[in-house]
Formats: sequence, C-alpha cells, structure tokens
Amino acid sequence: DIQMTQSPSTLSASVGDRVTITCRASQSISSWLAWYQQKPGKAPKLLIYKASSLESGVPSRFSGSGSGTEFSLTISSLQPDDFATYYCQQYYAYGYTFGQGTKLVIK
Amino acid sequence: EVQMLESGGGLVQPGGSLRLSCAASGFTFSSYAMNWVRQAPGKGLEWVSAISGSGGNTYFADSVKGRFTISRDNSKNTVFLQMNSLRAEDTAVYYCAKAYDSSGYYDGRNYYYGLDVWGQGTTVTVSS
Repeated sequence: DIQMTQSPSTLSASVGDRVTITCRASQSISSWLAWYQQKPGKAPKLLIYKASSLESGVPSRFSGSGSGTEFSLTISSLQPDDFATYYCQQYYAYGYTFGQGTKLVIK
Repeated sequence: EVQMLESGGGLVQPGGSLRLSCAASGFTFSSYAMNWVRQAPGKGLEWVSAISGSGGNTYFADSVKGRFTISRDNSKNTVFLQMNSLRAEDTAVYYCAKAYDSSGYYDGRNYYYGLDVWGQGTTVTVSS
C-alpha cells in the first residue's frame, strides 16, 4: 500500500495566522489526493480534491498544492471554526490510504 | 440534499459477525461507487472497502480481506458491509462515504475517486 505521511502531527496557531500542513506519499500519486477536515464526534468533510481543486462551499482561505509525492494544505487566515484535525488521502490506487492526521490547536 | 444513514453497529464478541447498512438519499444511487471508512477510538481514518455503482467491482483493505464483504441493493439505495471473524482491532466508528465522480480518474480497469459525502457513522465494539 501507498504510505501517506503528514507533518506536523500537531500545529499550534492563532486566529489570523497562515498555516501549512504537508503530506508526503511513499510513491508518486500524480494529483490524486484529497484533504478532509474532521471535528470531534463528526464525520470528515471534503475540502480539496485532485490536490488543488476546492470543493464547492469550502471557503477560499483553504488551498491545496503539489503533485507526485509532495503536497500541502494551506489556510491563509485561520478562523475559529478551522481548529480541527486534517487528513490527506490518496486515491491513486486501492486500498486508499490516509495520513495520520494533523491536529490544529489554538495557541 | 445528499444524505447517508448508517445502522447496524453494536457490541459483538470476538469471532462474531455483524452487518452494517448505509441508506442513501438525494442522488442517483446506482451511478456512484460507495465506500466504508473506519476510525478506531482516538485514532485516524482507515479506508475499509469500496463497491462500484453496479456492484460488479469490490475492493478491500488488506486488514479486512477475506473477513469482510461489501454489497449493495440499488433498488433500496443501500450499501452493506458484512463483517465476519471480528477482532478487537475492528472496534471503530464505521462511516459510509459516497465517491465523488468529478474528483477521480479511470485507468482502463478501475475508477478511483475522492469521497465527498459521509454519513454520521455507526459504532462497532468487539469485546468479550
């Protein structure tokens, strides 16, 4: 299976900060990568697909970039609602795999 | 509105079986692949299984291959996950998730998609 490694595991930031989460694949996955946001006790929510395409209804402060093995999710100006856990997921090949998650906490 | 509602979770002894259901609404169910994803307590997300819109193609994580089966009834807009030979490590919240057809690609044999709409999950606990 393709391994997905996210960094950092925890990110401490303040409202208004610009933050970036990185995801690395163990082999090239082209641009077949999604990013999800999950809040405690809730189902994940799709933010980004195809590495950089913003899902409908997702605020434009979220952006994704990368291809091959290196990807990133950037939040341009953190809002209180953004403090959550973020996961990357490759869908280049079955079985799909997720990164271990990045928990974004308030500084 | 697109919605999925999982059911069938509960407490089961190691070695036992359980069948999860996911009832979908708000879209043409038979046109979309469906997935199961699980999350153990305090842990990350783990993809479990997928099934094509027609039901003709199924896919499984190595951790469940040979123990779990996936099926669907397109006349009832429902996807199922039959779980046999359950182990303590199968304890998790199980989510069903719809494939997002605009997100993916076809490699000549299979389709691959991101997951755009998720149910609220159903909890499976495997314990004696």
